Amino acid sequence: ETGVTQTPRHLVMGMTNKKSLKCEQHLGHNAMYWYKQSAKKPLELMFVYNFKEQTENNSVPSRFSPECPNSSHLFLHLHTLQPEDSALYLCASSWTGTAPYEQYFGPGTRLTVT
Amino acid sequence: KNEVEQSPQNLTAQEGEFITINCSYSVGISALHWLQQHPGGGIVSLFMLSSGKKKHGRLIATINIQEKHSSLHITASHPRDSAVYICAVRALTGNQFYFGTGTSLTVIP
Repeated sequence: ETGVTQTPRHLVMGMTNKKSLKCEQHLGHNAMYWYKQSAKKPLELMFVYNFKEQTENNSVPSRFSPECPNSSHLFLHLHTLQPEDSALYLCASSWTGTAPYEQYFGPGTRLTVT
Repeated sequence: KNEVEQSPQNLTAQEGEFITINCSYSVGISALHWLQQHPGGGIVSLFMLSSGKKKHGRLIATINIQEKHSSLHITASHPRDSAVYICAVRALTGNQFYFGTGTSLTVIP
């Protein structure tokens, strides 16, 4: 398997459920990202991990909890979500350093909160 | 106001037409990215540039750092070019990215 993969591709959950999104990159990158894409809004950066360490947390509510056990895997744990959290959640990876690098995106998880 | 503004928001073109999508930004950047998103969600990086011009096949991207403006051109457009095109900038410091809302392009045969 190559590139960036995400599972599941679609998820429907109730507001009291707990679920997790998974992202895996096979590119040898050392940075991974979670983005939220809501209808008619720009992509929002949620979390950034460099070498497994969280370096950005853009004021994301605590009902979203990221986990990065190693440079190839990234999880987003979800609990007690709200209907407005329904969106496309995209994972990306890249190299990181003083120079900017391209990001490679996964196919996304379409989340619906009922 | 969003740090990255794109125009137009929607664009319909006949196959073969020359297409231009514009992006303006208001922050200092280390790089600007043009992304393509097809229905279904997957995003592909088309270009990353910090100066001048890049060309890949029928796609051309330009950037004017002084004017904080970039354009994406598609020559001889084709229905398979139909997608949402997103402009994104990486801030000069830190790991912050800002995204435009995207331009939805439909190319009619």
